[in-house]
Amino acid sequence: SQQGEEDPQALSIQEGENATMNCSYKTSINNLQWYRQNSGRGLVHLILIRSNEREKHSGRLRVTLDTSKKSSSLLITASRAADTASYFCATDEIKAAGNKLTFGGGTRVLVKP
Amino acid sequence: DAGVIQSPRHEVTEMGQEVTLRCKPISGHNSLFWYRQTMMRGLELLIYFNNNVPIDDSGMPEDRFSAKMPNASFSTLKIQPSEPRDSAVYFCASSHRVGYGYTFGSGTRLTVV
Repeated sequence: SQQGEEDPQALSIQEGENATMNCSYKTSINNLQWYRQNSGRGLVHLILIRSNEREKHSGRLRVTLDTSKKSSSLLITASRAADTASYFCATDEIKAAGNKLTFGGGTRVLVKP
Repeated sequence: DAGVIQSPRHEVTEMGQEVTLRCKPISGHNSLFWYRQTMMRGLELLIYFNNNVPIDDSGMPEDRFSAKMPNASFSTLKIQPSEPRDSAVYFCASSHRVGYGYTFGSGTRLTVV
């Protein structure tokens, strides 16, 4: 089974609104990462949050991490049509050797102009 | 930097044929990963290398799949013989070192008919 499970699976919002998606995982991690994938393209790294961090910002992105609940959230503020994509969380598990990431199933975000 | 380069972008082949996918990681990145993406199974890690050495190939679905990394700037994923269920998008990604994000290539869309 997948380590990370995103919620919701799909999200539709109007341009200018905020988009929030969540990720739950099962095992202890070194860090958690969020990626974006536009249709037909490769994944793009957005942000990495380490296990000893609780919140991180990058531009319009805000990521939180709660290791006690094994969950993370990604907030996109003031969304734009160009934010339409699938968003994946990925976990770097402590028990895994090396730099191996396990990806969740993703959240499809549609931002309507 | 041209990023992670994969070739070909698209491959259509007949069942039973050999397929070779190629990847050139970012110079200086010492970890390389091969993922497969399908609608049904999402993103699956097939195999990854650290410093050209295979670390974990537990995700390789069958003996029909093999991967090599003869040097730091080149890797191949080979499927022989190919089957229709191998149809998917295959991504290569590289990473600088443990605890850093991945850079993905644009993927190879494989269709086996």
